[in-house]
Amino acid sequence: GAVVSQHPSWVICKSGTSVKIECRSLDFQATTMFWYRQFPKQSLMLMATSNEGSKATYEQGVEKDKFLINHASLTLSTLTVTSAHPEDSSFYICSARDARGNSPLHFGNGTRLTVT
Amino acid sequence: DAKTTQPNSMESNEEEPVHLPCNHSTISGTDYIHWYRQLPSQGPEYVIHGLTSNVNNRMASLAIAEDRKSSTLILHRATLRDAAVYYCILIAGGTSYGKLTFGQGTILTVHP
Repeated sequence: GAVVSQHPSWVICKSGTSVKIECRSLDFQATTMFWYRQFPKQSLMLMATSNEGSKATYEQGVEKDKFLINHASLTLSTLTVTSAHPEDSSFYICSARDARGNSPLHFGNGTRLTVT
Repeated sequence: DAKTTQPNSMESNEEEPVHLPCNHSTISGTDYIHWYRQLPSQGPEYVIHGLTSNVNNRMASLAIAEDRKSSTLILHRATLRDAAVYYCILIAGGTSYGKLTFGQGTILTVHP
């Protein structure tokens, strides 16, 4: 079945550094990908919608200059957490929408970010 | 997106059927009903989705009320691996398809 690969699965970084997370659709083209954040014992919160070849759309309260999203191809979107701080520590999850539309959404296995 | 209401938690015994309810009284005509589940420290996993008719797949069945204001996810024989948080989500068709609003979901505990 369709697979979304997210990398890395976990990362530890120092405060002030930047971290890049990749989300790839492995066997389908994804015109749209979505980035979520999940804090412990909470539900997923949508951060932004990533569209291939255009600027991402950010949800209210999400800083676009801090969470840089690039969707340069139909199979790859990246989320860069810039100047990370301990409060950015979270579980980041991407999902991809098949270009055919109205099909099941596929999620990556998430990236556990810990900022020290 | 229209809201859904699910019980916070449910329990089941292994090998028994589980019926997970979801209320969505404000559903619109073009909203699809999706179910996803999330195991600890993993991304959500697609379970099943439907629009109006009941649906079956290898994982589960989805029973949709005639007025579409509620639905039930049915796991026919629960296993320990089915212990997860189950999310019932309405997804509008069109360009916003895929932009999900997750509620708190139902935590399913399966007892051996």
